[in-house]
Amino acid sequence: NAGVTQTPKFRILKIGQSMTLQCAQDMNHNYMYWYRQDPGMGLKLIYYSVGAGITDKGEVPNGYNVSRSTTEDFPLRLELAAPSQTSVYFCASSTGTMNTEAFFGQGTRLTVV
Amino acid sequence: DQQVKQNSPSLSVQEGRISILNCDYTNSMFDYFLWYKKYPAEGPTFLISISSIKDKNEDGRFTVFLNKSAKHLSLHIVPSQPGDSAVYFCAAISSGSARQLTFGSGTQLTVLP
Repeated sequence: NAGVTQTPKFRILKIGQSMTLQCAQDMNHNYMYWYRQDPGMGLKLIYYSVGAGITDKGEVPNGYNVSRSTTEDFPLRLELAAPSQTSVYFCASSTGTMNTEAFFGQGTRLTVV
Repeated sequence: DQQVKQNSPSLSVQEGRISILNCDYTNSMFDYFLWYKKYPAEGPTFLISISSIKDKNEDGRFTVFLNKSAKHLSLHIVPSQPGDSAVYFCAAISSGSARQLTFGSGTQLTVLP
């Protein structure tokens, strides 16, 4: 059981470039989330989705876009990368029901230079 | 405005002793609290949780205590082992939300042999 899979694990981008961070889960979870973690900080929510075709902004959505065409996949798109987007990105999924935990991927370390 | 606060960035304890990690929150709408453990270059992994209707939950060496009136929770690890050395994040979920997690900034626990 793979759980939540993120690709790539590492990436270096130049300022102004774009890229898509991939996230897939095989647990048939309806709820999926993207978080970013800056050094010495907790994780902050970028975007989330409660099901295919439904997405919503989190705490720090600026500079990002998402889509959810299937239950399994929840890609995060960075347009016009900026140094402030240098961070570690984590994708997570959950059933969305009460009193259950979220499962996280291994993360994507992104550096914008 | 940090809704979940972990005021101790780091904690060192001797192997076999008790580790106590603390967390404070401000949002009265939080109804579920979780602790995640994170090793370097890995995603957070779920450790233990507690519902707001309880004041204690125990799982092996790990116990979480919740004091709703003080808006405070703590994680006790007894006995501490070197393999417990990691960053511990406190997280909370708000009732009526999409079950997204609000994280504290984490506490680096080091268990000394």
